[in-house]
Amino acid sequence: DAGVTQSPTHLIKTRGQQVTLRCSPKSGHDTVSWYQQALGQGPQFIFQYYEEEERQRGNFPDRFSGHQFPNYSSELNVNALLLGDSALYLCASSFSGSILREQYFGPGTRLTVT
Amino acid sequence: DAKTTQPNSMESNEEEPVHLPCNHSTISGTDYIHWYRQLPSQGPEYVIHGLTSNVNNRMASLAIAEDRKSSTLILHRATLRDAAVYYCILRDPGNTPLVFGKGTRLSVIA
Repeated sequence: DAGVTQSPTHLIKTRGQQVTLRCSPKSGHDTVSWYQQALGQGPQFIFQYYEEEERQRGNFPDRFSGHQFPNYSSELNVNALLLGDSALYLCASSFSGSILREQYFGPGTRLTVT
Repeated sequence: DAKTTQPNSMESNEEEPVHLPCNHSTISGTDYIHWYRQLPSQGPEYVIHGLTSNVNNRMASLAIAEDRKSSTLILHRATLRDAAVYYCILRDPGNTPLVFGKGTRLSVIA
């Protein structure tokens, strides 16, 4: 049973560019959440997708957007990249039918903005 | 903002028990106590959770104070593979996101 997968593993972009990160949830999961983890910090919640809609959002600007596809996979898009967007981006999936909705994380995508 | 307080770092000898403390004095009656850990170069992984009673699973034990204002994650025999950042998180049973603090960095010495 494949767990949560993310692509690419690493990415280097220039300020002002746009980036798309991808996530495939664990089999049987229908909800995807995205987190940003700066160096030395804990992950910070960006947003959550369920039934192809954004359901919850953390304190992140509109430059951060996402999408969920009918197969439950998801994309995170970041426009007009800033140096401060350099971080590890984590995807977590969960099952809406689980009471505690335990989240399973992928290995993350390391984004470097130069 | 994180509602828990954890030591920045702890150190343990291999094969010794480890007690990782967490203070959560503002916990509400419906908050579950979750522990996740993040191994180097990996995403966080679920360890254990509890509400009021002590809990055991194959990875660890969770001891919850009677007033629920603190808890302790117990690794019965630390191994080198347990070296990680451990996060204590309060979460209500609704579909709320995980709110991570800085966690406790556990080092295990051979």
